[in-house]
Amino acid sequence: DAGVTQSPTHLIKTRGQQVTLRCSPKSGHDTVSWYQQALGQGPQFIFQYYEEEERQRGNFPDRFSGHQFPNYSSELNVNALLLGDSALYLCASSLSGDRTDTQYFGPGTRLTVL
Amino acid sequence: AQSVTQLGSHVSVSEGALVLLRCNYSSSVPPYLFWYVQYPNQGLQLLLKYTTGATLVKGINGFEAEFKKSETSFHLTKPSAHMSDAAEYFCAVSRTGGADGLTFGKGTHLIIQP
Repeated sequence: DAGVTQSPTHLIKTRGQQVTLRCSPKSGHDTVSWYQQALGQGPQFIFQYYEEEERQRGNFPDRFSGHQFPNYSSELNVNALLLGDSALYLCASSLSGDRTDTQYFGPGTRLTVL
Repeated sequence: AQSVTQLGSHVSVSEGALVLLRCNYSSSVPPYLFWYVQYPNQGLQLLLKYTTGATLVKGINGFEAEFKKSETSFHLTKPSAHMSDAAEYFCAVSRTGGADGLTFGKGTHLIIQP
């Protein structure tokens, strides 16, 4: 049973650049959520995708955008990178029919903005 | 709005001693509650969850948690700590029906003394 996978593992960018992070959900899951985890903090909800649409969004600016593909995989895009965007980005998948919204996390992508 | 408070950013126990990690939540609707563990440079692994029914929930690796509605608490315990339990632990809450993402506490770093 394949778990949640993310790529790349690490990424280094400079201020003002754009970045794309990728996520494949756990087998059988159709919903993908993205979280940002700053150093020493708990994860913060960015947004959730279901049926290729953004279903809910946390308190993040429009520089953060996403996409979900027909195979349920997802991308997170961040434009005009700021130093403060340096963090571990976590993808989580869940099943839309699960009212508890139990989420299973991938290993994360460590983004460093210089 | 939901929120989670984890008391103690660091907890240190001796190997073989009782582990107690505290979590209090606030939610305007009946919550679903989760504990996740994060090992260094890894994603989050689900330890256990409370949805409905029995308030004492058993999870993996010998951990358990008790949901106390009157105290709005969901403390995590393990009778006997093992060196391999050293990690970061996060308590999280979701609203009934999900789709809002999980709201996490700031985490508790568990240190196991030999």
